[in-house]
Amino acid sequence: AQTVTQSQPEMSVQEAETVTLSCTYDTSESDYYLFWYKQPPSRQMILVIRQEAYKQQNATENRFSVNFQKAAKSFSLKISDSQLGDAAMYFCAYISGSARQLTFGSGTQLTVLP
Amino acid sequence: EPEVTQTPSHQVTQMGQEVILRCVPISNHLYFYWYRQILGQKVEFLVSFYNNEISEKSEIFDDQFSVERPDGSNFTLKIRSTKLEDSAMYFCASSYRGAEKLFFGSGTQLSVL
Repeated sequence: AQTVTQSQPEMSVQEAETVTLSCTYDTSESDYYLFWYKQPPSRQMILVIRQEAYKQQNATENRFSVNFQKAAKSFSLKISDSQLGDAAMYFCAYISGSARQLTFGSGTQLTVLP
Repeated sequence: EPEVTQTPSHQVTQMGQEVILRCVPISNHLYFYWYRQILGQKVEFLVSFYNNEISEKSEIFDDQFSVERPDGSNFTLKIRSTKLEDSAMYFCASSYRGAEKLFFGSGTQLSVL
């Protein structure tokens, strides 16, 4: 079974600084997708960034980028120039190409300090 | 921008009662999902639905749960006889092509008393 592990229950960062959230996963599949979702206090699930496993290039979305290490099964999220609005719970998630369900990690609560 | 709409945002019910959670997926999407999140825990998959039938379901999705797409636009989750442990945030999601890019609704917080 696929598992997703987020080893940092809580992280904090100073406004305008950079923070990296860690995620590792376990799978025997070769075709899969990885995601980072943001969940603010409203509890809505917002897609931050997505990575296809077959792509070697790391995905980027404005201030958000990932470090995808396929051999190590690691998928970290880097947030640059952190803003107060980035404060939220961040979930790493995985899905294989053949599956119909996302598997989520346990989340990392990010606090942004002014 | 199109979005997935869920109603109601909050639902309070008595244990043993039936509840129906409603979702309007994005109009051209073909795949529909329900996930739930018990407070303080990770998001868990319940069920996926495609071509008017369940394509996959988790162990959580037992006989007390059912889904329906009654009219081509709504997608509902019914819990037949609610238990205290059903209290959670329920998220509907939809996608056009598999689960490579899911769009989530803003959730329905279900409280079972």
